Amino acid sequence: QKEVEQDPGPLSVPEGAIVSLNCTYSNSAFQYFMWYRQYSRKGPELLMYTYSSGNKEDGRFTAQVDKSSKYISLFIRDSQPSDSATYLCAMSGPFSGGYNKLIFGAGTRLAVHP
Amino acid sequence: DAGVIQSPRHEVTEMGQEVTLRCKPISGHNSLFWYRQTMMRGLELLIYFNNNVPIDDSGMPEDRFSAKMPNASFSTLKIQPSEPRDSAVYFCASTGTSILETQYFGPGTRLLVL
Repeated sequence: QKEVEQDPGPLSVPEGAIVSLNCTYSNSAFQYFMWYRQYSRKGPELLMYTYSSGNKEDGRFTAQVDKSSKYISLFIRDSQPSDSATYLCAMSGPFSGGYNKLIFGAGTRLAVHP
Repeated sequence: DAGVIQSPRHEVTEMGQEVTLRCKPISGHNSLFWYRQTMMRGLELLIYFNNNVPIDDSGMPEDRFSAKMPNASFSTLKIQPSEPRDSAVYFCASTGTSILETQYFGPGTRLLVL
């Protein structure tokens, strides 16, 4: 079993839809939870960063962490064609190796069509 | 700010040949990561350098892979001899001195071993 599970999709939605992306994980020690966005033929870029449980909102994006269920989500409101990308969840902590080692999900490919 | 620079962007080689991938981290960053991304295995950490010293190379798949960081502005990942299963996108990422700082990824090198 992988430490982080993420449905690879693809997920296709119409412009303006609300998108829900999810990851589950098995390591209860994870403390930091991230969402990266990766456009085609580009490197991943950090989109959202949360610590422990709770919600974080940034514009049209909301990240949720439920540590009791080992489940994280990213919601995209009013989705736009420019949101079409692969979204990777990543987790880390508690830095037992002395550095912030990120464990990534497989990534979910999202297509938002006009 | 030029971001993380990787070269070459694309590499096609034949099985058994030596391949060298290059990375220039963001100026002032003291941590550097090499990742490999494939459809089957997703994004995997290969090796982590801090202040030019390899700290965690547990992700390096086998002895055919080696990485060096001779100075703060340059790192190489070498595969010798290369095999078709090494075909992947290789990313370099760098980050600053704080353990929680964002990892900035380069554009990646697409490697195809025939």
